[in-house]
Amino acid sequence: AQSVTQLDSHVSVSEGTPVLLRCNYSSSYSPSLFWYVQHPNKGLQLLLKYTSAATLVKGINGFEAEFKKSETSFHLTKPSAHMSDAAEYFCVVSDRMDSSYKLIFGSGTRLLVRP
Amino acid sequence: NAGVTQTPKFRILKIGQSMTLQCTQDMNHNYMYWYRQDPGMGLKLIYYSVGAGITDKGEVPNGYNVSRSTTEDFPLRLELAAPSQTSVYFCASSYGTVGANVLTFGAGSRLTVL
Repeated sequence: AQSVTQLDSHVSVSEGTPVLLRCNYSSSYSPSLFWYVQHPNKGLQLLLKYTSAATLVKGINGFEAEFKKSETSFHLTKPSAHMSDAAEYFCVVSDRMDSSYKLIFGSGTRLLVRP
Repeated sequence: NAGVTQTPKFRILKIGQSMTLQCTQDMNHNYMYWYRQDPGMGLKLIYYSVGAGITDKGEVPNGYNVSRSTTEDFPLRLELAAPSQTSVYFCASSYGTVGANVLTFGAGSRLTVL
């Protein structure tokens, strides 16, 4: 069965240092992959998506992710963390079921940014 | 541009009570969804709709009902509330199927059943 694994439930970084949020997936076909961010008491917002074009995807607020098929990974990175990046991040894969699709959400990674 | 609007934001129910979570979108999206988010877990799909008059079950539909009489509205009904339904509920919409389309989420409704 298709699945998404976010390898860290919590990540803590200092402001100005790099961010790495890890995501591995399993899929039987070429998937679409997404990263969504959820700030406290807010709905989820799209950061970026991969849909079989360039393997390095740039998103909003300086985030980017690289699709690595050989490693079945889609890790999210940012060169320099900002206090406003503190939030929960979800890796999501689009899974084909017969003629339709569904989204499979990872369990989330909470990013803490220390001053 | 309001996007996806959910009401109420918070609600406490007693076991066995009923309630409806409201969801409205103003983007003329065909697809609408209800998800629940439990602590430490990813979102789970409860029900979805591909257009007015058409609804289908997701992964965790038991204890819930939905209707889609208009493109804009997609209410979620809890008939007999149980403690297992304590969760945060998110409504979302998209222009097309989730294959590659982005979902727009509401701000969520936090429900506690005591």
